[in-house]
Amino acid sequence: GQNIDQPTEMTATEGAIVQINCTYQTSGFNGLFWYQQHAGEAPTFLSYNVLDGLEEKGRFSSFLSRSKGYSYLLLKELQMKDSASYLCAVRDSNYQLIWGAGTKLIIKP
Amino acid sequence: GAVVSQHPSRVICKSGTSVKIECRSLDFQATTMFWYRQFPKQSLMLMATSNEGSKATYEQGVEKDKFLINHASLTLSTLTVTSAHPEDSSFYICSAKSQGGSSTEAFFGQGTRLTVV
Repeated sequence: GQNIDQPTEMTATEGAIVQINCTYQTSGFNGLFWYQQHAGEAPTFLSYNVLDGLEEKGRFSSFLSRSKGYSYLLLKELQMKDSASYLCAVRDSNYQLIWGAGTKLIIKP
Repeated sequence: GAVVSQHPSRVICKSGTSVKIECRSLDFQATTMFWYRQFPKQSLMLMATSNEGSKATYEQGVEKDKFLINHASLTLSTLTVTSAHPEDSSFYICSAKSQGGSSTEAFFGQGTRLTVV
C-alpha cells in the first residue's frame, strides 16, 4: 500500500529552527509537495521537490532523497504565525496526490 | 499563483436537505478538479476527481449518488451533498489543475465548513 509518515506534533521556540521529516512509500514518484494549513483553512503551497537535493525559498527549505524515500521541511527564524499543520504529499505514478496526516507545529515564545 | 474560489465558506443545513458547494478557477482553465474531505485533526481524503465534460471518478467508499459532482465547464465544478446527515459534517476542499503540463502544484479553494444539524 501507499504510505506517508510524518510526526504528529512538534514544538519549537520563536526564532529557532525546526525540521519536519516525511518518509514515503508510494507506487511511483512524480514529485513531493509541502503545504501549510492553518486551522479551519485550506492548505497553501510551500514547496515542490522532484529531484534530489535542497530547494530554498526564504525562511523555508525542503530537501528530497528519492533513494531513501525521505524529505524534510526546514523552517528558520520561526515566527508565531508559523504555528500550523504542515502536510507532506507525494504525487504517485497516476499523478494522484497521496497525503500525509500532517504535523502540527506549535511555536512557543 | 492561480486562484481557486470556493463557495460557500460555511454552511449549516438541516438533516435530510441537500447542499451545493461551488469551486471556480478564476484565472485559469481547470481540466481537472479534485474534491477532498477533511475531518478534524486528520489529513485530506480524496473523494473524487472530476474532469471537464465527463463523469467524475470516485474513490473507494465514496457514494456517488450521495456526493454528486458536476464539472460542466473548464472553470466550474460543483459538489452536491444530497440528503445530508450529521456524519457528513466536515471540511470540504476543492483543488484544481490547469491545462498543460507546466503546472506542478494543485491550487486549493478556501474550503467549505459543512455542519449538518
